[in-house]
Amino acid sequence: KNEVEQSPQNLTAQEGEFITINCSYSVGISALHWLQQHPGGGIVSLFMLSSGKKKHGRLIATINIQEKHSSLHITASHPRDSAVYICAVSQGADGLTFGKGTHLIIQP
Amino acid sequence: EAQVTQNPRYLITVTGKKLTVTCSQNMNHEYMSWYRQDPGLGLRQIYYSMNVEVTDKGDVPEGYKVSRKEKRNFPLILESPSPNQTSLYFCASSLLQGASAFFGQGTRLTVV
Repeated sequence: KNEVEQSPQNLTAQEGEFITINCSYSVGISALHWLQQHPGGGIVSLFMLSSGKKKHGRLIATINIQEKHSSLHITASHPRDSAVYICAVSQGADGLTFGKGTHLIIQP
Repeated sequence: EAQVTQNPRYLITVTGKKLTVTCSQNMNHEYMSWYRQDPGLGLRQIYYSMNVEVTDKGDVPEGYKVSRKEKRNFPLILESPSPNQTSLYFCASSLLQGASAFFGQGTRLTVV
């Protein structure tokens, strides 16, 4: 079973700062997912990637397959970005394996 | 609008009283799954279904049952709930296993 580690667990930053959240996993995967969970509890899928880089607005996700590592970046952070960010991996016939999440707070 | 609908959103029940949490998706997705989320443990898969009449255990299936009689519905059944099943539950669907997932809004269950 894949082990998924996220860092940091908690992150508080000021509005406008560049944010990086990291995710590493232990064995090869078919895809890596970044999810966002808002204080109300709902979960939204942000990215699914298996190589390279994807960008959506101010969010950028990268993955390095050789190093088994992915990063989620937020540029020009805003208080509405405050949420829990969860990394998950999918691998063959197994379902998603999740990291424990990074709790991000952006202060005005 | 593409969505996964869970009901109820909140439920308080007593030990041993059977309950069902419903999950429905309108995207004709083949793959559906149930997760529970607990503080410090993150999301863990309970059961999943690759297609109609095909279900399998996830990482924490004890105390739960599921069924997939129709493609759109995937109910989670707790035959005899216990306090250790107090948790936040999510249903999710995707076109295929491992594809980008759509999550329901969550069901916060308390068993007293």
